[in-house]
Amino acid sequence: QKEVEQDPGPLSVPEGAIVSLNCTYSNSAFQYFMWYRQYSRKGPELLMYTYSSGNKEDGRFTAQVDKSSKYISLFIRDSQPSDSATYLCAMSPFSGGYNKLIFGAGTRLAVHP
Amino acid sequence: NAGVMQNPRHLVRRRGQEARLRCSPMKGHSHVYWYRQLPEEGLKFMVYLQKENIIDESGMPKERFSAEFPKEGPSILRIQQVVRGDSAAYFCASSPTTEQYFGPGTRLTVT
Repeated sequence: QKEVEQDPGPLSVPEGAIVSLNCTYSNSAFQYFMWYRQYSRKGPELLMYTYSSGNKEDGRFTAQVDKSSKYISLFIRDSQPSDSATYLCAMSPFSGGYNKLIFGAGTRLAVHP
Repeated sequence: NAGVMQNPRHLVRRRGQEARLRCSPMKGHSHVYWYRQLPEEGLKFMVYLQKENIIDESGMPKERFSAEFPKEGPSILRIQQVVRGDSAAYFCASSPTTEQYFGPGTRLTVT
């Protein structure tokens, strides 16, 4: 079993839809949770970054962490064609004072006009 | 403030040659991480460095791979005697403390 599971998709939605992206994990020591967006043949771009459980909102993006269920989510409101990309969840126990990120395989999202 | 810089962006090497990948972290960042992304796979941690120190190299293959982050200049990931299985995208990330910012990557192709 992988430490981080993420549905690879592809996920296809119409413009304006609310998108829900999810990851589950098995290591209860994970404390830091990040979401990255990666366009084809580009580097991952940090979207959201949360510590421990709870919600965090930034513009059209909301990140949720439920440590009791070992489940994290990213919601995208009013999705746009420019949101079409692969979304990567990443997490870390922050052991030893640094973040050795464990990534999910990524979910491909396509937002069509 | 410039982002994380990586060069070259594309690198083609024949089997048995050496590949040297460079990463300049964001200004003020003293933590550098290297990750590898194989085709159709997620990113995998390779090594974590601070200036002049390798802190965690648990993700590095034991043979042929090495990394450094000298006091002056960029971090270098070096792959000796490359094989076809080394073909991948190599990303570095820099960090001020906890969050990590990635560079555009170096795509290595071994022919």
